[in-house]
Formats: sequence, structure tokens, C-alpha cells
Amino acid sequence: EPEVTQTPSHQVTQMGQEVILRCVPISNHLYFYWYRQILGQKVEFLVSFYNNEISEKSEIFDDQFSVERPDGSNFTLKIRSTKLEDSAMYFCATTAQRDYTQYFGPGTRLTVL
Amino acid sequence: GESVGLHLPTLSVQEGDNSIINCAYSNSASDYFIWYKQESGKGPQFIIDIRSNMDKRQGQRVTVLLNKTVKHLSLQIAATQPGDSAVYFCAETGGSYIPTFGRGTSLIVHP
Repeated sequence: EPEVTQTPSHQVTQMGQEVILRCVPISNHLYFYWYRQILGQKVEFLVSFYNNEISEKSEIFDDQFSVERPDGSNFTLKIRSTKLEDSAMYFCATTAQRDYTQYFGPGTRLTVL
Repeated sequence: GESVGLHLPTLSVQEGDNSIINCAYSNSASDYFIWYKQESGKGPQFIIDIRSNMDKRQGQRVTVLLNKTVKHLSLQIAATQPGDSAVYFCAETGGSYIPTFGRGTSLIVHP
């Protein structure tokens, strides 16, 4: 069964550093999403992306965050200058159509020291 | 503000028992509800959904019940198995395709 994959599985970085989290969507999927989950808390929506542009974003997705699909396969989330409070699991999700059944990747655990 | 929440953070059951996980929502505009299962080290996995024009939907060993009068959602798992041990999230949407997740209930199944 096709799966969403994410790399790395765990990223440790120093505060103020830039990180790029990568996602490979299921091949025929066109809608892409990033979520984050701080330990013990809810899964929170960050951003949705379609046709090479952001469709929706939450208040969390401020100027420190950006997304792109640089090569037609990977979908990336960049945090320009990480803060301690950015430590969380980051999940990528994708769908074939703009419907509700999103397929989630296994997540990247980001630890900011 | 509007929110989605869960009544119990942890539910422990014996293998073979039926499990019921509850969820309250407060956004009256919500018209679609989803249950996700999240196993350790994995992302949320879609289990079952229900639209607001229904009050019950069944899947394999799972049933979702929706009571719009009291804004309550439940997930019933029949004959719970150790593999069902996970965190279960309810999520709701109110017109957007972006789900708003609840905090999650940890289901622990004892053999």
C-alpha cells in the first residue's frame, strides 16, 4: 500500500538554526499538509499546499515557516530560525483530492536545544 | 472559544471487551467528524468518519455514533485486541477540509 514518507525521523538542532523537514507524498496525490504535535498535546494544522501555492495556513505558520515542492516529488517544511517551542512532531499528510481522508506520514521529531 | 475535547485521557480494557471512546464538540457548525488512531511512533491513521446528517456509521469492528443534540461523538470498538492499543483522536471540520483535532484518548488493551 502506498505510504507517505518523511525524513529525517529525528532532527536535533540548536536554537536559531534553520531546519528543513522533508516529505514524499503518495505519487498521485495533489494536496499536501503539514501538522505539528507538541508532546502530549493535540495535532495542530500548520499549512495546506496545492498547485505550488499555499491554500490555507494557521496562526502558527508565521514568517519563520515556509513550504515548497522543489522537485515535483518532495514537499518540504522549512523553519528559518528555530525556537525552543518549535520542538514537536511534525507530520506531513497528503490527499488525492480536496477531501477529508488525509494520509499521514510517520512524522519527524524535531528537538530544539 | 469553540473546541473539540475528549472526556477521558486513558481507557484500560481487557482483550475481548468492547471499548467506547467519547468525544465532545462545541462547534455547532461542524458537519463532518473523523476518528483517527495513532500508534506509537506513527502518524494518525484514518479509522472512520461520519457526516452530520447521520447518527451512526459502522465499519469493521468499529462504530461511530453522533448525537448532535448534545454535541457528542463516540467510537465503539468491538472485541478489542492488543493491536488496538493506541491513542485515538476525534476531529471535526466545519466546512473546511482541515480537521481540528481533540487531545486524544490512550486506549490500553490488556491481554
